[in-house]
Amino acid sequence: DSGVTQTPKHLITATGQRVTLRCSPRSGDLSVYWYQQSLDQGLQFLIHYYNGEERAKGNILERFSAQQFPDLHSELNLSSLELGDSALYFCASRGQGVYYGYTFGSGTRLTVV
Amino acid sequence: GNSVTQMEGPVTLSEEAFLTINCTYTATGYPSLFWYVQYPGEGLQLLLKATKADDKGSNKGFEATYRKETTSFHLEKGSVQVSDSAVYFCALSDHTGNQFYFGTGTSLTVIP
Repeated sequence: DSGVTQTPKHLITATGQRVTLRCSPRSGDLSVYWYQQSLDQGLQFLIHYYNGEERAKGNILERFSAQQFPDLHSELNLSSLELGDSALYFCASRGQGVYYGYTFGSGTRLTVV
Repeated sequence: GNSVTQMEGPVTLSEEAFLTINCTYTATGYPSLFWYVQYPGEGLQLLLKATKADDKGSNKGFEATYRKETTSFHLEKGSVQVSDSAVYFCALSDHTGNQFYFGTGTSLTVIP
């Protein structure tokens, strides 16, 4: 157990639907990062939050949004889902200081049918 | 900008063979460098890291040395085991810490 909790582990939904992925960071970590991993695109950075504030945005589609709540858990909302959104979505948290590595959750596997 | 280039896979080795996975980077400033490992069906796990030039990161028999002059961070292991079969990712973190930059991953299969 890495200390980063992601739910649900698996999600199957239809095109056009909306889903919410949840992440609880490791205790004491203020930073949360979201990544999408697909076979053809590798690991794509989506967004970074630090203590409730958005710090950096990567290749995140306009149909996707995220937020970090006061208790530091984060949610990634994916709407108007398309078949191409099927992927593994990872959340990671990080200790303070740029020398720390990420601690990853086990991911949510999203399948859009 | 920042980027990481990893050697293409897949790599297949016999047990006890020597492993090298090449990684080079482009970065502004002084990045920190990392290797992550992903076992089938799992998330990425930090394998080792180095935060400044000439640092050597090591863990579980794996090693990598931060070479600023060649902008490289190659992963090595002297004798691989079947249990080392996984995908290995090289990554860098710039001075802001706002984002990690990952390589494309190298799949390693070790056969008995």
